[in-house]
Amino acid sequence: QKEVEQNSGPLSVPEGAIASLNCTYSDRGSQSFFWYRQYSGKSPELIMSIYSNGDKEDGRFTAQLNKASQYVSLLIRDSQPSDSATYLCAVNPSNFGNEKLTFGTGTRLTIIP
Amino acid sequence: DTGVSQDPRHKITKRGQNVTFRCDPISEHNRLYWYRQTLGQGPEFLTYFQNEAQLEKSRLLSDRFSAERPKGSFSTLEIQRTEQGDSAMYLCASSMTGGTEAFFGQGTRLTVV
Repeated sequence: QKEVEQNSGPLSVPEGAIASLNCTYSDRGSQSFFWYRQYSGKSPELIMSIYSNGDKEDGRFTAQLNKASQYVSLLIRDSQPSDSATYLCAVNPSNFGNEKLTFGTGTRLTIIP
Repeated sequence: DTGVSQDPRHKITKRGQNVTFRCDPISEHNRLYWYRQTLGQGPEFLTYFQNEAQLEKSRLLSDRFSAERPKGSFSTLEIQRTEQGDSAMYLCASSMTGGTEAFFGQGTRLTVV
């Protein structure tokens, strides 16, 4: 079992709709969760962080965390063509001696005009 | 401070040559991470530092790879006797402490011919 799993996509969403990206993780002790956006040929850009159960909203982005289900999601409202990118889920156990970010393989999102 | 800086942005080298990459983290960040990313995959952890101390090194990292952060500021990653399989994007990230938001540099794209 991979430590962080994402559906690789591609996920196609019409412009203006809600894009929903999902991620599951295996380490139940994980404490910190991040979503990165990566355009082709570029480096990952941090867009959301979440540390506690529930929802966290930032503009058009909402991150959702459910530690009991070991599940993190990212919602993008009013999707724009500029949102077309690969979205990487990253998890940090935050336990002493194991504090590195572990990434999923990413979900490729395409917004259709 | 404009963020994490990596140099060079691109490097083409012949198989068997040594290469060295540099990373300058965000100045107040104690943590510095090196990752490698190949096409279609998420970033793969290589090593990380807390100040000048190298706290963890991936088992996937062969003895040809070495990283340093001598004064707790910038870091270098050296690959000796490069192989074609080393071709990848090498990413550096920094964060305040473990478990907090990590920001990536623009990466160094290595091509071994």
